[in-house]
Amino acid sequence: EAGVVQSPRYKIIEKKQPVAFWCNPISGHNTLYWYRQNLGQGPELLIRYENEEAVDDSQLPKDRFSAERLKGVDSTLKIQPAELGDSAVYLCASSLEGSDNSPLHFGNGTRLTVT
Amino acid sequence: QKEVEQDPGPLSVPEGAIVSLNCTYSNSAFQYFMWYRQYSRKGPELLMYTYSSGNKEDGRFTAQVDKSSKYISLFIRDSQPSDSATYLCAMTSLYNAGKSTFGDGTTLTVKP
Repeated sequence: EAGVVQSPRYKIIEKKQPVAFWCNPISGHNTLYWYRQNLGQGPELLIRYENEEAVDDSQLPKDRFSAERLKGVDSTLKIQPAELGDSAVYLCASSLEGSDNSPLHFGNGTRLTVT
Repeated sequence: QKEVEQDPGPLSVPEGAIVSLNCTYSNSAFQYFMWYRQYSRKGPELLMYTYSSGNKEDGRFTAQVDKSSKYISLFIRDSQPSDSATYLCAMTSLYNAGKSTFGDGTTLTVKP
């Protein structure tokens, strides 16, 4: 079984520039999550999708962050414009069903550095 | 105060030692408890998954949940250098299924 695939692995941008991250979840997993992990901290949920519907985006800073999951498979997370404080690892995860507490399967993340 | 507090570490032990990793939490609605292992520059991977109180054993790993004390533990027996990683506890509630709350992790180093 192929795992969760994320790209790029690393991204360095200047502040005020846009950036996008891509995620391909495990086949058959209906639920997709974007987490942000700051250095020395645990992951924090940004947004959760059930199929193509965003069911929890309460922690997503909507003034600069946006996400989409077209056709309920791949997902893209965008930041525009980026700020210095956005430097972190952005993790994508998927699970069979979010509503039944299925365990999360994480990708290896995109490490973003904003200079 | 965070909902989930994890012993910060770092923790360094000799090979073969028994390791105890711990988390406390404040939300009594948490019912599902997970331990993830995260190697450097990798994503977290699920180690143990338990529901409500009790013990669960899987090879060298044992997860304990004490809901009365709001305290969970992960024990690693006969620790190996390959166990060197950051260990994250996580938990979810029945009322907000799909939203895992993580601790900040404990970094473990097992020295040969």
